[in-house]
Amino acid sequence: AQSVAQPEDQVNVAEGNPLTVKCTYSVSGNPYLFWYVQYPNRGLQFLLKYITGDNLVKGSYGFEAEFNKSQTSFHLKKPSALVSDSALYFCAVRKRDSSYKLIFGSGTRLLVRP
Amino acid sequence: NAGVMQNPRHLVRRRGQEARLRCSPMKGHSHVYWYRQLPEEGLKFMVYLQKENIIDESGMPKERFSAEFPKEGPSILRIQQVVRGDSAAYFCASSPPGGVNTEAFFGQGTRLTVV
Repeated sequence: AQSVAQPEDQVNVAEGNPLTVKCTYSVSGNPYLFWYVQYPNRGLQFLLKYITGDNLVKGSYGFEAEFNKSQTSFHLKKPSALVSDSALYFCAVRKRDSSYKLIFGSGTRLLVRP
Repeated sequence: NAGVMQNPRHLVRRRGQEARLRCSPMKGHSHVYWYRQLPEEGLKFMVYLQKENIIDESGMPKERFSAEFPKEGPSILRIQQVVRGDSAAYFCASSPPGGVNTEAFFGQGTRLTVV
């Protein structure tokens, strides 16, 4: 079955420290990869995507993600966390033969403490 | 350029009533998707529509749920005879035509509570 795994329900990090939110996927082919962020009582906001090319993708708000084909991973990273980064982060994939259906992970809550 | 607009933001229905959720896509977007988010879970795909057409409803429950995207007006997700298990956040997303590289833009969601 096609699936996306975010193994950590919550990630805690101190402000100013680097952060990593993990994502692995089990989807056939070479899917497109996405990260979205959800603030309380808000919709999902697009952060970044991997389509092809450089394995390191840069996105909004200083976030970046590293695609690793051999490990089927797409971990989200930021060199220096801000308290305002505290939110729920979702990894999602979309098969290349299906231009619309996103498969989401269960989400990881990021808590950045001052 | 307004984003994806969903209304209402919050909806409370008693068991057995009908719920109607509305979604206006971004300007220029002709593709609409509905996702459901149960508490503490990720979003699950429900249905994909283009104007006047349902393209894929594989994620939609077979009974009580329906969706439409008419030529004029917003997309509507309709849930008849709601039950407590329908309580969830329902998100609409839209994307422009023709682009497998394009990302979907999400609305703020409608939080349905069935009492």
